[in-house]
Amino acid sequence: DAKTTQPPSMDCAEGRAANLPCNHSTISGNEYVYWYRQIHSQGPQYIIHGLKNNETNEMASLIITEDRKSSTLILPHATLRDTAVYYCIVRAQTDSWGKFQFGAGTQVVVTP
Amino acid sequence: DSGVTQTPKHLITATGQRVTLRCSPRSGDLSVYWYQQSLDQGLQFLIQYYNGEERAKGNILERFSAQQFPDLHSELNLSSLELGDSALYFCASSEDSYFYGYTFGSGTRLTVV
Repeated sequence: DAKTTQPPSMDCAEGRAANLPCNHSTISGNEYVYWYRQIHSQGPQYIIHGLKNNETNEMASLIITEDRKSSTLILPHATLRDTAVYYCIVRAQTDSWGKFQFGAGTQVVVTP
Repeated sequence: DSGVTQTPKHLITATGQRVTLRCSPRSGDLSVYWYQQSLDQGLQFLIQYYNGEERAKGNILERFSAQQFPDLHSELNLSSLELGDSALYFCASSEDSYFYGYTFGSGTRLTVV
């Protein structure tokens, strides 16, 4: 069963903020929300993670709703190099790796 | 350069053959993870090693095996290859088991013909 739901694709204009939604309505109290991205055929790259508070780092911001059933990854000023597949993943620190895999993600295309 | 080195970058081989993929983790990282990414399956976790010992298994076929050596590099052995094994194989490493600490290599593209 999929733990997260993401739109398959979205476009964003260069220089504008990109807001990537993720639904995780069955998230458990001990599960974190993680975001990774994969630029074409390269290895996935960690972006950010959070439990219930909003988080910000040099790459992005993560906004988690109060009920934790959804979240939004914000790329504040999208560049062409941000074109990638973005994966929203929920898992607990102690989750067995045997039951974990990346989903289909959201293909983000940043256009000039 | 992520610090995780995978070799070879590309590999073409015939069905029924055996290949070995190599991964050198980032300096200081004790955990190594192998993932398979095929067009119709997405990224799938195969296996994890921590300091030389198998820690977790995912969707790894019996024809596949892996090991981590004393110098912490890891090898993924794929045998009796089938056309469906064609995929990108990624290695990731981390200092511990926390997911946010993962660093992925650039992958090995395996083509079975």
